[in-house]
Amino acid sequence: QVQLKESGPGLVQPSQTLSLTCTVSGFSLTSYSVHWVRQHSGKSLEWMGRMWSDGDTSYNSAFTSRLSISRDTSKSQVFLKMNSLQTEDTGTYYCARGLTYFDYWGQGVMVTVSS
Amino acid sequence: DVVLTQSPATLSVTPGERISLSCRASESVDTYLHWYQQKPNESPRLLIKYASQSISGIPSRFSGSGSGTDFTLSINGVELEDLSIYYCQQGNSLLTFGSGTKLEIK
Repeated sequence: QVQLKESGPGLVQPSQTLSLTCTVSGFSLTSYSVHWVRQHSGKSLEWMGRMWSDGDTSYNSAFTSRLSISRDTSKSQVFLKMNSLQTEDTGTYYCARGLTYFDYWGQGVMVTVSS
Repeated sequence: DVVLTQSPATLSVTPGERISLSCRASESVDTYLHWYQQKPNESPRLLIKYASQSISGIPSRFSGSGSGTDFTLSINGVELEDLSIYYCQQGNSLLTFGSGTKLEIK
């Protein structure tokens, strides 16, 4: 069955770089797009960017300068790297599958930015 | 960016009621408007795609309507398990989410 699972550090220091991995199963990254979505505690959802099935990427303009999404199709993994983290980047980070909507989501990984 | 405005922010409901939640887009998104349910400490779950298309496994009491800039999610006979936050999301121009509507018990 289709599954996505995020992994990464729970705590990151301010000004450092966040690195997250989304490991997928049950589908191929060359057939489906995978997105990263963030949610601040008690707040709405924020689309960050996507890895298209052809390897291209798209980003929310709010993150363009410090966000990078990449993948390793052989390992069925999609990566998020975001630099210059600040306390306001604290939240839950999800990866999700889809094109214009998200039909499968990971469980999310909580990231706290604090010294 | 397309801004989605959801109303009301909070809706107090009685089990068995028929309710409607609104999502308004700042510009036309055609029918690229989708609805999600999120319960506490859970990931969002897709309820309705392309404004009105049902999703396998979602109870039939959930339905959607609209096109362009005005959309509605309806729940025909609210059940206690429906107490959640509901988000709309557009996929016509990049992707954005609304701010959500929280359903609570009256």
